[in-house]
Amino acid sequence: GNSVTQMEGPVTLSEEAFLTINCTYTATGYPSLFWYVQYPGEGLQLLLKATKADDKGSNKGFEATYRKETTSFHLEKGSVQVSDSAVYFCALAGSTASKLTFGTGTRLQVTL
Amino acid sequence: DAGITQSPRHKVTETGTPVTLRCHQTENHRYMYWYRQDPGHGLRLIHYSYGVKDTDKGEVSDGYSVSRSKTEDFLLTLESATSSQTSVYFCAIDSGNTIYFGEGSWLTVV
Repeated sequence: GNSVTQMEGPVTLSEEAFLTINCTYTATGYPSLFWYVQYPGEGLQLLLKATKADDKGSNKGFEATYRKETTSFHLEKGSVQVSDSAVYFCALAGSTASKLTFGTGTRLQVTL
Repeated sequence: DAGITQSPRHKVTETGTPVTLRCHQTENHRYMYWYRQDPGHGLRLIHYSYGVKDTDKGEVSDGYSVSRSKTEDFLLTLESATSSQTSVYFCAIDSGNTIYFGEGSWLTVV
């Protein structure tokens, strides 16, 4: 079956540091890949997505590239802000019914 | 904003009582989902619906039932709540192969 593995957190960074959150997946077929962000006390918001190999999703300074050869979709941001503190979830949707399989989430804390 | 409203947003209930959570959408999407979120597990699919009266089980469906009598409403019922069902429940819709989530319902079973 499908599965998603994320690096465990928490990840603690100083403001303006470079961020990488690793995500690898196992899936049959050609899944779509997503990053969602959850701020404290809120629901999940779609951050970015990629639907085929070599696609790059980007939003709000975050980027992730769909790497089929390494089955990865790592999230990066060049300069984090305190307001980026949240939990980040990597997820995939298989080829039918768009049901999502999630990773366990990575908490990011950014300090001044 | 994907036009999803969940109710109630917060509820405390006793073990053994029935509980129904409601998800309402305003944009006529065909697919709707119920997920639960627990520490160390991310989000896991409970049930989903692909149309009025058409539903199917997800990964963690035991102890839950759903109903969809109208396109806009998807109900999740815990027939007899247990402490293991204390969780945050999220409704979601599929809009053009991207899934959008509601704001969540915090349920505590004591």
